[in-house]
Amino acid sequence: GVTQSPTHLIKTRGQQVTLRCSSQSGHNTVSWYQQALGQGPQFIFQYYREEENGRGNFPPRFSGLQFPNDSSELNVNALELDDSALYLCASSWSGGNTDTQYFGPGTRLTVL
Amino acid sequence: AQSVSQHNHHVILSEAASLELGCNYSYGGTVNLFWYVQYPGQHLQLLLKYFSGDPLVKGIKGFEAEFIKSKFSFNLRKPSVQWSDTAEYFCAVNVPQTGTASKLTFGTGTRLQVML
Repeated sequence: GVTQSPTHLIKTRGQQVTLRCSSQSGHNTVSWYQQALGQGPQFIFQYYREEENGRGNFPPRFSGLQFPNDSSELNVNALELDDSALYLCASSWSGGNTDTQYFGPGTRLTVL
Repeated sequence: AQSVSQHNHHVILSEAASLELGCNYSYGGTVNLFWYVQYPGQHLQLLLKYFSGDPLVKGIKGFEAEFIKSKFSFNLRKPSVQWSDTAEYFCAVNVPQTGTASKLTFGTGTRLQVML
């Protein structure tokens, strides 16, 4: 399955954070979502074969990387209070147009 | 851009009651449709999905959903709920793109509480 680390993280405003994800074996696409309390997940961006392949309405201080070994990262610079949320990683195999995304447990980020 | 509406924010049912959760989307073209469930303390899990074909889709744990294209709807149903169905339910859509994944757009979710 999809795993994420760490489970919880507490940072202060202005700091930088890196969240990690390990995709399901064989999947070539990873997507990141932000889920604020009481809301549905919001798409941040997606990586396909190690290149960014679409971005939602998030500023450039949200960036990512995808590595050949099924791992990926979400980096957030200059943290703001509103960045407090559950960050979800989802992996999928994109060989056609019927891909299904499988989610990890998430990293809960608290910004003080 | 597509959007998803889930009109029921919080639903409370007794065990054995029937369930129907509404989901409407706005997009004029072909979409893939999904229902995900998030049990307390657990991660998002896929309940069922629709890509094409029979508009009545059966998923895990006795859930089913019906795609009605004319109504832009994909409502989730279960004939008889159990206490263990207590969870948050999310409807999601994406626009299929050949050769690459596309983003999921989620609704705001429906919290289902099943009373014993």
